[in-house]
Amino acid sequence: DAKTTQPNSMESNEEEPVHLPCNHSTISGTDYIHWYRQLPSQGPEYVIHGLTSNVNNRMASLAIAEDRKSSTLILHRATLRDAAVYYCILGYNYGQNFVFGPGTRLSVLP
Amino acid sequence: GAGVSQSPRYKVAKRGQDVALRCDPISGHVSLFWYQQALGQGPEFLTYFQNEAQLDKSGLPSDRFFAERPEGSVSTLKIQRTQQEDSAVYLCASSLVPYSGNTIYFGEGSWLTVV
Repeated sequence: DAKTTQPNSMESNEEEPVHLPCNHSTISGTDYIHWYRQLPSQGPEYVIHGLTSNVNNRMASLAIAEDRKSSTLILHRATLRDAAVYYCILGYNYGQNFVFGPGTRLSVLP
Repeated sequence: GAGVSQSPRYKVAKRGQDVALRCDPISGHVSLFWYQQALGQGPEFLTYFQNEAQLDKSGLPSDRFFAERPEGSVSTLKIQRTQQEDSAVYLCASSLVPYSGNTIYFGEGSWLTVV
């Protein structure tokens, strides 16, 4: 079973920031938090991941709560190409699965 | 290319036919996953390999589904006597080692339609 919960859908206007939340209240101390996205007709694509500190890369930023029970993926300026399903997943270790939940479907309005 | 490669990209099978889906992971990747994704749903875990060892096959929906990775690199997912409910995208993914901080790379998927 998925260990994360996310809103089913969100909307954003083009060129505005988007904050995608994720709750993971049962996270363990060694679990990394991963974000993937899936564009239509494509396989899931890595976005970002982190353990405790906030992380930035060219695609997005990841803000992790101090107690690590929640995190937020931040797209600084949404584009039409960012319309996708975004998945928040806890990283796997030996013997564990990399489990997807339903994700958040992000719509970007022009 | 250096990514995960899957073939065939598209497959139409008649009900009752056997199919085989191939996955070429990124070279040197120890971990390999198979997922099934029905239309409008998130990927569902099928099975996991570490090198040639199939450590978890709890997600395989029936004994008609079989996966192997005999030399610890290429993997094949076989579906026997296909049924219409098997119609889905089958995704393969690989990761360097089984560590929580490692990125998992996905292929584009094999789209199976059973008619």
